[in-house]
Amino acid sequence: LAKTTQPPSMEAYEGQEVNVSCSHTNIATSEYIYWYRQVPHQGPQFIIQGYKDYVVNEVASLFISADRKLSTLSLPWVSLRDAAVYYCIVDYNQGKLIFGQGTKLSIKP
Amino acid sequence: AQTIHQWPVAEIKAVGSPLSLGCTIKGKSSPNLYWYWQATGGTLQQLFYSITVGQVESVVQLNLSASRPKDDQFILSTEKLLLSHSGFYLCAWSLGGNSDYTFGSGTRLLVI
Repeated sequence: LAKTTQPPSMEAYEGQEVNVSCSHTNIATSEYIYWYRQVPHQGPQFIIQGYKDYVVNEVASLFISADRKLSTLSLPWVSLRDAAVYYCIVDYNQGKLIFGQGTKLSIKP
Repeated sequence: AQTIHQWPVAEIKAVGSPLSLGCTIKGKSSPNLYWYWQATGGTLQQLFYSITVGQVESVVQLNLSASRPKDDQFILSTEKLLLSHSGFYLCAWSLGGNSDYTFGSGTRLLVI
């Protein structure tokens, strides 16, 4: 059973910033938050991970609320290539990486 | 650089026939290995994971079995395929701890 809740779908225009939210109300102290994305006919691709506060890398940023029950993935300047299903996952050390239904992001030109 | 290779890329098999899917990881020593299955339009479901050679833990069996005969090899198999086995099979590796997972490109299976 997935431990996270995400909106099933989102739409955005090219060039916009997109924020995808994820609720993980039962996250344990030891669990990290991971974001992956998957395009059709390919395996998921790692985007970013974090434990608390704010994490940024070359493709995205991740904000985690102070109580760690909510996280937001931010994608700056999306393009058509960013159309994918985005998965938010919480994972215990060497545990089972459980995927939920994800958020299907559609990009309009 | 580490690479993950899955084979075959795609298969069409008859109900009741055997199946063997393979996954090889190069460039990493003693990785954790995982098998996932994804029904068409569905989410990914973890089937098996292995932390070391010869040891495989079942998460959801779906009438499948897995083995890790070598450090860099993970095999998914069954002696009798069911229609419900159709889908997308993905192999993944990680270094354990809080490291991320790297997925292969998958095997698309159609059982008819």
